Amino acid sequence: NAGVTQTPKFRVLKTGQSMTLLCAQDMNHEYMYWYRQDPGMGLRLIHYSVGEGTTAKGEVPDGYNVSRLKKQNFLLGLESAAPSQTSVYFCASSYSRSNQPQHFGDGTRLSIL
Amino acid sequence: TQLLEQSPQFLSIQEGENLTVYCNSSSVFSSLQWYRQEPGEGPVLLVTVVTGGEVKKLKRLTFQFGDARKDSSLHITAAQPGDTGLYLCYAGGTSYGKLTFGQGTILTVHP
Repeated sequence: NAGVTQTPKFRVLKTGQSMTLLCAQDMNHEYMYWYRQDPGMGLRLIHYSVGEGTTAKGEVPDGYNVSRLKKQNFLLGLESAAPSQTSVYFCASSYSRSNQPQHFGDGTRLSIL
Repeated sequence: TQLLEQSPQFLSIQEGENLTVYCNSSSVFSSLQWYRQEPGEGPVLLVTVVTGGEVKKLKRLTFQFGDARKDSSLHITAAQPGDTGLYLCYAGGTSYGKLTFGQGTILTVHP
C-alpha cells in the first residue's frame, strides 16, 4: 500500500532551469495539494486540486504551475527556478476538504543554486 | 488572513516531563487537526477535533479544542524520546487561499 509517492526525492537545479515534481496517490482521493516547507514557516499551500482536471491557487502560487490530468497524479512545475524556491516540497491527498486527514508523501528536497 | 499561531516554537525537555503545545487563532474553525512529523518524512495525522470543548486522548497525548473553536492544545504526559518531532496544527474548513498550518513546534525529548 504505497499511499502518496513523490518523485524525485532530491534534486539540485541551477537558476533558470525548469523541472516537474510528480505526485501519485493510490487511495482514490479527490483532493490533492502541494505544499512547501521552510524553517520556521510551517507548511504553506502552493496549489491544490479538488478533482481531476481542476486546479486552484493556494497561499504562495507565484513561480509554480500545476496540472491534474489524471485523478491519481498531481504535477508541480517550476518554469524558471529561482534560489527562493529552495525548499522541501510535500504533496498530500484527502477524500474531501473538511475534517478529513491529509495523507502526505515523504517530500522532495529541492536546491536551486 | 486566518493565522494559526503555535507556541512554543521550540521545546527541549527531559524524559518523563510533561508539556503543552498551543495553537491559537482569532478565527473560528469547523475543525482542527494535529499532525506529527519526523525528519525526512511527511506529517502524519494524530487527531481531529470538531466540537467546542472536545477532549481526545491518544495514549499519553491529550488534545483539547477550545469552547469557542478558536484554539487548541496538545498535552503530553511523561514525555519519551520517541515523542521527539515537529508538531503541527491545521485548521480545517477554511478557505484554501489562507494559511491553514501553524508554524509548528519542534519538540526534543532527551533521555
